[in-house]
Amino acid sequence: DAGVTQSPTHLIKTRGQQVTLRCSPKSGHDTVSWYQQALGQGPQFIFQYYEEEERQRGNFPDRFSGHQFPNYSSELNVNALLLGDSALYLCASSLRATNYRLSEKLFFGSGTQLSVL
Amino acid sequence: GDSVTQMEGPVTLSEEAFLTINCTYTATGYPSLFWYVQYPGEGLQLLLKATKADDKGSNKGFEATYRKETTSFHLEKGSVQVSDSAVYFCALSGGSYIPTFGRGTSLIVHP
Repeated sequence: DAGVTQSPTHLIKTRGQQVTLRCSPKSGHDTVSWYQQALGQGPQFIFQYYEEEERQRGNFPDRFSGHQFPNYSSELNVNALLLGDSALYLCASSLRATNYRLSEKLFFGSGTQLSVL
Repeated sequence: GDSVTQMEGPVTLSEEAFLTINCTYTATGYPSLFWYVQYPGEGLQLLLKATKADDKGSNKGFEATYRKETTSFHLEKGSVQVSDSAVYFCALSGGSYIPTFGRGTSLIVHP
C-alpha cells in the first residue's frame, strides 16, 4: 500500500516564477492538507482540501492556491515566488472529519524541497 | 493564538542515556497534544498523543503526560538508541482546528 507520494522531490526556481507541486494521498484517504516547513522551523498549515474544495486555510497570501482532483490527488500552486518561499512543502492525507482536527490518522509525505533563487 | 514552545537543540546524548525534550503550549479550550518525529529525508510520523489532562501517551519507549496545570507535554525516554536520532516536533490541535507545531528539537545519539 503506497503512502503519501509527492513530486518532484526537489525544485529550483527564480523569483517571480510560478511553481506547481503535486501530491497523491494514501490509498483510501480523501482529504489533503499542505504545510510549509522553513529551515529550522515546524510545519505551518497552508490549507486543506476535501471534495475538491478548500475547507480550511492558514495565514498564507493568495499567491498560494490549490486544487483537488476527483481521484483525491492535489496540487499546490505558488505564484510570483519570493526568496522567502524557499522551504520544504509537505502534503498530508487523512479521512474526512466533520471539522478539521489533527489526528493520528494524518499521514505525511516526504515533501518537496523548493529553492527560490 | 495557539502556540507551542520547544527546547532548542540539538540535544546530544550517548546511547542508553535518559532523554527529556521540553514542550509547553498556549491554547484556548482543551487542545489535543502530539509528538511527531521526522527522520532524515522523510515526512513526519505520529509518535504519540494525548487528548485530555493527565493522559499519558506512549509508543516505542517514549512517553509524554498532558499536564494542564503547567501547560506542558514533555517527551521522555529512559534509554535512547542511535536509531532515535531524528527531529522531534511537539504539536497541538486546539479550538481553532488549525494544527500548530513547535520548531522542532534535533536529537543526536552517539554510540
